[in-house]
Amino acid sequence: DAGITQSPRHKVTETGTPVTLRCHQTENHRYMYWYRQDPGHGLRLIHYSYGVKDTDKGEVSDGYSVSRSKTEDFLLTLESATSSQTSVYFCAISDRDRAGNTIYFGEGSWLTVV
Amino acid sequence: EDQVTQSPEALRLQEGESSSLNCSYTVSGLRGLFWYRQDPGKGPEFLFTLYSAGEEKEKERLKATLTKKESFLHITAPKPEDSATYLCAVHPISNDYKLSFGAGTTVTVRA
Repeated sequence: DAGITQSPRHKVTETGTPVTLRCHQTENHRYMYWYRQDPGHGLRLIHYSYGVKDTDKGEVSDGYSVSRSKTEDFLLTLESATSSQTSVYFCAISDRDRAGNTIYFGEGSWLTVV
Repeated sequence: EDQVTQSPEALRLQEGESSSLNCSYTVSGLRGLFWYRQDPGKGPEFLFTLYSAGEEKEKERLKATLTKKESFLHITAPKPEDSATYLCAVHPISNDYKLSFGAGTTVTVRA
């Protein structure tokens, strides 16, 4: 158990509505990430954070924004949800070790946009 | 551009039938290569990190190896509980934080 809690775990929303997914960690790790996972695409990075108020874009950031006001919380917001954002969203955390950056994942948030 | 390719996409095994999964990668330089296990409806679970060619890691029936261009995950005498999707990821030298993931290999072990 990596000490990561995602909420909500499941959500159905309508096209055009804003949606916020929350990630809470109890490990005090510096780095936090939001990935989405889709069939045929694998895990793709949306946004990541390397500290409080320090965030950057990943490879599929269009239509998403993030905020990190505390070490333990990382929020992902879909400003105006579209059907293409129907996906499973995973929060992840990491801290630097030896030479690498082992990432630990949460249990996922299933989002359906109708 | 960093690329990670896993093969095969799916693997069906009889209980006790050993096999290997392949992860081939193209990166400018490798900080680390990671293997994860993912069960349906769950998040990926960390298995191994490999840092340099020739390195090997083992955990129960799983053994991961690394060369300069690919990694193998060997499953020895698998059991039905080894059924899962196995993901490979690389951490390139070109960035500090981000991993690039392969699409995964789904392993089904029949009793």
